[in-house]
Amino acid sequence: AQTVTQSQPEMSVQEAETVTLSCTYDTSESDYYLFWYKQPPSRQMILVIRQEAYKQQNATENRFSVNFQKAAKSFSLKISDSQLGDAAMYFCAYNWLTDKLIFGTGTRLQVFP
Amino acid sequence: DTGVSQDPRHKITKRGQNVTFRCDPISEHNRLYWYRQTLGQGPEFLTYFQNEAQLEKSRLLSDRFSAERPKGSFSTLEIQRTEQGDSAMYLCASSPDGRLNEKLFFGSGTQLSVL
Repeated sequence: AQTVTQSQPEMSVQEAETVTLSCTYDTSESDYYLFWYKQPPSRQMILVIRQEAYKQQNATENRFSVNFQKAAKSFSLKISDSQLGDAAMYFCAYNWLTDKLIFGTGTRLQVFP
Repeated sequence: DTGVSQDPRHKITKRGQNVTFRCDPISEHNRLYWYRQTLGQGPEFLTYFQNEAQLEKSRLLSDRFSAERPKGSFSTLEIQRTEQGDSAMYLCASSPDGRLNEKLFFGSGTQLSVL
């Protein structure tokens, strides 16, 4: 069965600094998709970044980038130049063949001024 | 595009009562999903519709749960004879037709508390 593990329940970063959130997953498939979602206090899940497993190049979206290590089954999220608005729960998610997402338990990110 | 809308935002009920939640997806989106999120956990998949057809149901969806999507528009999720373990946030998401694994658009959820 596919699983997603986020081993950092909480992380903190100072404004303008860089922080990395970790995610590992388990699958026997070779072609799948990985996502990072942000859930602010408003509760609405917002897609941050998406990675297709068959692409070797790491995805980047403005201040957000991933380090995708397929052999190690690792998918970390790097947030550069952290802003107060980045404070939220961050969920790593996986899917394969369908839109059904399997989520990790989340990492709460605090940003200090 | 007004986003995915869920109603109510909060629901408090007594054990044994029935509750119904509503989700209005983005108008051109044919796929609609229900997830459940308990405290300290990530969302867990419950069920999925393609237009009005319910294509997949999780084992989490016991006989007390039923979901519908009449005419392929809005969806309702009903829980009969609620139990305290049903307390959770129920999230709805939608996505357009086309290539799978595209972005899901989530609503803000319905927070259910069963006393």
